[in-house]
Amino acid sequence: GAVVSQHPSRVICKSGTSVKIECRSLDFQATTMFWYRQFPKQSLMLMATSNEGSKATYEQGVEKDKFLINHASLTLSTLTVTSAHPEDSSFYICSASSHEQFFGPGTRLTVL
Amino acid sequence: KQEVTQIPAALSVPEGENLVLNCSFTDSAIYNLQWFRQDPGKGLTSLLLIQSSQREQTSGRLNASLDKSSGRSTLYIAASQPGDSATYLCAGRSNDYKLSFGAGTTVTVRA
Repeated sequence: GAVVSQHPSRVICKSGTSVKIECRSLDFQATTMFWYRQFPKQSLMLMATSNEGSKATYEQGVEKDKFLINHASLTLSTLTVTSAHPEDSSFYICSASSHEQFFGPGTRLTVL
Repeated sequence: KQEVTQIPAALSVPEGENLVLNCSFTDSAIYNLQWFRQDPGKGLTSLLLIQSSQREQTSGRLNASLDKSSGRSTLYIAASQPGDSATYLCAGRSNDYKLSFGAGTTVTVRA
């Protein structure tokens, strides 16, 4: 299957700082990318859907000014957690889709 | 909105036993249903995808069934091995192409 990468795989930051997570589709062009968040022992919750070159569509309850999503090309989407707080600590997983949806390995964010 | 439930939340079996994992969903207007495996701290690996027009899919020791009328899917893993220990997630895709995930069943296969 196709490969989706995420960088970094793990990040620890201080409260109030911003963190950027990259998601890349390595061997295919992704018309749509999805960002999910997963808390321990819980299911993946969709945060937002982004299409290349257009604004992301956020799910209800997800603050678009806090979670900035940029989908600048067909192979790259970024999620920036602005002014991170400890409650933002979570496992963030991206997914890229052409005809099928493929998932990245996830990024563990810990906010101190 | 599609709600997906997985029962049980955790399962422990001796090696060699067959595994039965259950998934139920609320909206029968499902586009497809997918089963994933997730190892601790890792991303998702797709196992099987069942289109809404299909009743089951098989891959090796894995078999997944789909019953839209009852809103259920079952994942069977035959002759379990310690390497099958992981969390198994099911997800239903709605016609708006969004995936709704269950909370998963964490499986431990004891050697």
